[in-house]
Amino acid sequence: DAGVIQSPRHEVTEMGQEVTLRCKPISGHDYLFWYRQTMMRGLELLIYFNNNVPIDDSGMPEDRFSAKMPNASFSTLKIQPSEPRDSAVYFCASRRDTTYGYTFGSGTRLTVV
Amino acid sequence: QQQVKQSPQSLIVQKGGISIINCAYENTAFDYFPWYQQFPGKGPALLIAIRPDVSEKKEGRFTISFNKSAKQFSLHIMDSQPGDSATYFCAANQAGNNRKLIWGLGTSLAVNP
Repeated sequence: DAGVIQSPRHEVTEMGQEVTLRCKPISGHDYLFWYRQTMMRGLELLIYFNNNVPIDDSGMPEDRFSAKMPNASFSTLKIQPSEPRDSAVYFCASRRDTTYGYTFGSGTRLTVV
Repeated sequence: QQQVKQSPQSLIVQKGGISIINCAYENTAFDYFPWYQQFPGKGPALLIAIRPDVSEKKEGRFTISFNKSAKQFSLHIMDSQPGDSATYFCAANQAGNNRKLIWGLGTSLAVNP
């Protein structure tokens, strides 16, 4: 099992540009979560999906953020337009419906200059 | 508002000592309490977890103590080692239809050799 795979590992972009982060969850996991981590705010849940359907997007900071899960093996988090305050590490995590433990990816470090 | 409060924010322990990290929660509708360990450049990884009907769980050098009446739980690391140096997060799983983890802000642990 390759675990949760995120790409890219690092992204540096200019303010105003579109950024797309990608995630491949563990096969067979029913839930997928997108988190943002910063020193000031810790781990923030942005959105999560159950069986590819968005369940709770109350953590998405504003309309500039959007997430999709077109199938069970792929999800994207898009920021358009990006701003310097979006700089953070973004994590994707997944879990099975029958368990509580999350498996996290290694994250994408986003820097918006 | 922060429903899971974690302390201390940082902790320095000598090799062989006991590391203790505390968490308190404000909502009784939690049904699972995990601890996650995060090394630099990695995503959080599940370390140990407990359900509210159990007062203590031990796995190797790691023990969770749970006090339901006080709404508190703590992580004890016995015989702390330099390899335990990491950030530790407590969390609580929200029961019901919107099952998601509510996270503490983390504790940075440094174990001196």
